[in-house]
Amino acid sequence: DTEVTQTPKHLVMGMTNKKSLKCEQHMGHRAMYWYKQKAKKPPELMFVYSYEKLSINESVPSRFSPECPNSSLLNLHLHALQPEDSALYLCASSHLTGANVLTFGAGSRLTVL
Amino acid sequence: SQQGEEDPQALSIQEGENATMNCSYKTSINNLQWYRQNSGRGLVHLILIRSNEREKHSGRLRVTLDTSKKSSSLLITASRAADTASYFCATEAQGGSEKLVFGKGTKLTVNP
Repeated sequence: DTEVTQTPKHLVMGMTNKKSLKCEQHMGHRAMYWYKQKAKKPPELMFVYSYEKLSINESVPSRFSPECPNSSLLNLHLHALQPEDSALYLCASSHLTGANVLTFGAGSRLTVL
Repeated sequence: SQQGEEDPQALSIQEGENATMNCSYKTSINNLQWYRQNSGRGLVHLILIRSNEREKHSGRLRVTLDTSKKSSSLLITASRAADTASYFCATEAQGGSEKLVFGKGTKLTVNP
């Protein structure tokens, strides 16, 4: 299995909703990432988990809450989001040995109304 | 910021022509990578070049790296309509880091 699977593909939520994005990989990668990408912009790093521990938080607002239940799963819990949080959310994973090459999922397109 | 800057921002060529994209970055790096993104989809890793390498080839891709100028170029030869996508460079800081920083990207359109 050489894939990173993200669900859902599309999500529409109101500003008072609570929802979650999910990411799964079975490549034995020990680092998992959340990136946010706005239209016509590069991906921006949000969080990194290494060996299931949060190692990087790029000063992301607390309305985004990451969780890594085990080495194969990564969640992003969403609460009280703003319309400007609408974006493509990309999950990625990588080995923690050698060069840091990322395998990306197809993304979750989030729209906040 | 370590963020790379690609140029051009957009490039439109005919099938069969070569496409060259450039990337500049600001700090010392371990390696530089190129990724491709089809519209609204995830990114796909294309090629990695280490800081002690000057040129690397993979199929129709040729990457060069000039660490003295802090710049890299990606050449796609004999382009095809299917090469239409956005291309991003990404840098890993010297000393190793989980943080991969992406440049602004080049939108390539290959016309049949």
